[in-house]
Amino acid sequence: GQSLEQPSEVTAVEGAIVQINCTYQTSGFYGLSWYQQHDGGAPTFLSYNALDGLEETGRFSSFLSRSDSYGYLLLQELQMKDSASYFCVGGAAGNKLTFGGGTRVLVKP
Amino acid sequence: DADVTQTPRNRITKTGKRIMLECSQTKGHDRMYWYRQDPGLGLRLIYYSFDVKDINKGEISDGYSVSRQAQAKFSLSLESAIPNQTALYFCATSDLAEGGYTFGSGTRLTVV
Repeated sequence: GQSLEQPSEVTAVEGAIVQINCTYQTSGFYGLSWYQQHDGGAPTFLSYNALDGLEETGRFSSFLSRSDSYGYLLLQELQMKDSASYFCVGGAAGNKLTFGGGTRVLVKP
Repeated sequence: DADVTQTPRNRITKTGKRIMLECSQTKGHDRMYWYRQDPGLGLRLIYYSFDVKDINKGEISDGYSVSRQAQAKFSLSLESAIPNQTALYFCATSDLAEGGYTFGSGTRLTVV
């Protein structure tokens, strides 16, 4: 089975940088994804790391270290619209996903 | 139109009733999934299907059943609803070539 641990909540101000860490225990793991979910909305895909290293997509970057069973999502130049829940998600054989509990990010003016 | 459409958006039902949640997609993906979301628990996989003839149980399939009527349609049934099935239900599709899942807007189900 799989389990993924991430902090439950992070608060930061506009313009700041936030790093959301994710540690996982999983069998058959083949990659780590990140999803964003606004209140009342559906999760939307942000990024995917199949290999170790950093993936950058605009203001968001994601990192994976498979030897450490660890990854993070980095949110830069925070904006009010970034207030949402962020989920680290482990991939396994058959393209099944296991979600972490989610990190609620609150951006303050 | 949305790529993944779920109906209904909201539903209140009584304990013991049978209820069906429907999902249709226009992305042409073979793989479809049903997840349930409870506060603080992320999303948990109920059932998944890799094609019309393939149905698999997820981690929390007890009390649920599914039907893959066509490549584009995947429905979730609660045979006899109970209050602890009150949750937000999401349908999703995926394609290995594209990466990532596409989620529907969700169905908020309340069992009273």
